[in-house]
Amino acid sequence: AQTVTQSQPEMSVQEAETVTLSCTYDTSESDYYLFWYKQPPSRQMILVIRQEAYKQQNATENRFSVNFQKAAKSFSLKISDSQLGDAAMYFCAYRSHGSGNTGKLIFGQGTTLQVKP
Amino acid sequence: DTAVSQTPKYLVTQMGNDKSIKCEQNLGHDTMYWYKQDSKKFLKIMFSYNNKELIINETVPNRFSPKSPDKAHLNLHINSLELGDSAVYFCASSPPTGQGENIQYFGAGTRLSVL
Repeated sequence: AQTVTQSQPEMSVQEAETVTLSCTYDTSESDYYLFWYKQPPSRQMILVIRQEAYKQQNATENRFSVNFQKAAKSFSLKISDSQLGDAAMYFCAYRSHGSGNTGKLIFGQGTTLQVKP
Repeated sequence: DTAVSQTPKYLVTQMGNDKSIKCEQNLGHDTMYWYKQDSKKFLKIMFSYNNKELIINETVPNRFSPKSPDKAHLNLHINSLELGDSAVYFCASSPPTGQGENIQYFGAGTRLSVL
């Protein structure tokens, strides 16, 4: 069974600085998807960024980028130029790919990010 | 227009009661999910339906019964509520595997408090 681990329960960053959130996962599959979701205090789950395992290039979305290391099974999220609105809980998630997969997301435990003004 | 909408947003009830949470998506997706987020914020899949057919049931007590009247709706009915059922329940939907971007879109969640 696949597992996702976020080893940092809490992180803190100064406004305008850069922060990296860690995520590792375990799987025997070769093709899958990885996601970072943001959950602000409003509790809405918002997709931040998505990575397909067969793509070597790291995904980027504006100030958000990932460092995807397939061999190491690592998927970290880098937030550049942190803003107060980035304060939230961040979840790393795994989804299998391929025929017959149920499409369910497997989540890590989450990392609470505090942004200091 | 809200893509995935859940009602109610908050639900406070007594132990032993039966309650339902409704979910509707207007994205034209075939697959819908229920996730539970516990008091430690851990998110876990409960059920998934594809075209009204149950495809995931993750060892959830049979007091929980999902119902999908059509592919745009997936409701969650809970019988004989227990204190441990207190949590936030999220509905989500996604396009069929291999189509679209394989992204799950979440509703705003329903906070259930059992007293």
